[in-house]
Amino acid sequence: DAMVIQNPRYQVTQFGKPVTLSCSQTLNHNVMYWYQQKSSQAPKLLFHYYDKDFNNEADTPDNFQSRRPNTSFCFLDIRSPGLGDAAMYLCATSRVGQEVYFGPGTRLTVT
Amino acid sequence: QQQVKQSPQSLIVQKGGISIINCAYENTAFDYFPWYQQFPGKGPALLIAIRPDVSEKKEGRFTISFNKSAKQFSLHIMDSQPGDSATYFCAANSGYSTLTFGKGTMLLVSP
Repeated sequence: DAMVIQNPRYQVTQFGKPVTLSCSQTLNHNVMYWYQQKSSQAPKLLFHYYDKDFNNEADTPDNFQSRRPNTSFCFLDIRSPGLGDAAMYLCATSRVGQEVYFGPGTRLTVT
Repeated sequence: QQQVKQSPQSLIVQKGGISIINCAYENTAFDYFPWYQQFPGKGPALLIAIRPDVSEKKEGRFTISFNKSAKQFSLHIMDSQPGDSATYFCAANSGYSTLTFGKGTMLLVSP
C-alpha cells in the first residue's frame, strides 16, 4: 500500500502560470518535507513542517510556498514557475528523529 | 559547505561482484546514517540505515560499515545484480535536524 502519495505524477505548466502539487500520507507522521531534485543531483530541501510549524530553508525562493491543512496533506505552490523550476518534486514524511520516507515524486515540466 | 562527501560519483561493477560506496561526514553531532536507492523517475527508497552505536549492519546483500573515529561510513552490495543498477545516496542527520545528502553515486552492474 502506498504510504506517501503524490499527485499528479506528471505536471506540465506554462511559464508564469501558478501550479500546485499535492502530497498525502497514511503514516500519521508529524513531519512532512518538500524536496526539489534536478537531474543527476541530490534532493534539495525546500521546506518542512513539524506538525503545523513551518520551516523554510534560507535559500528557498519566495516563488515557492507551502500549505499543510492537516496531518495527512501538504501542498507545494509555485506562484510563477520559471524554466529553472522544472524538476522532480519529492514529498517525504517522518516522525521526529526517525526514518524519512519519500513519495514517488511529481515531474514538473515548464513550457 | 558540503557536510557529507560521497565517492565515487559513478561505479561500474560486474554481476556477482561487490559494490562499495563511501561517505565521509564532518559534523560530529550526526547520529543517524541512512542510505537511499533511487531508480530513474522514482523517489528515493530507504535501503538501510545505521546509528553510531554499532560498527556494522547487514540486511541481505546490503551492509553498512561505520567508522566513528574516521567519520566515515560505507555501503557494500554483495553479489551485485543488474537490478541493483541505480543511484545511491548516503545521508546523515541528528535529532531534530533534517537530512544532509551526499551527491550520489550512479551504480551500473553489467550482466
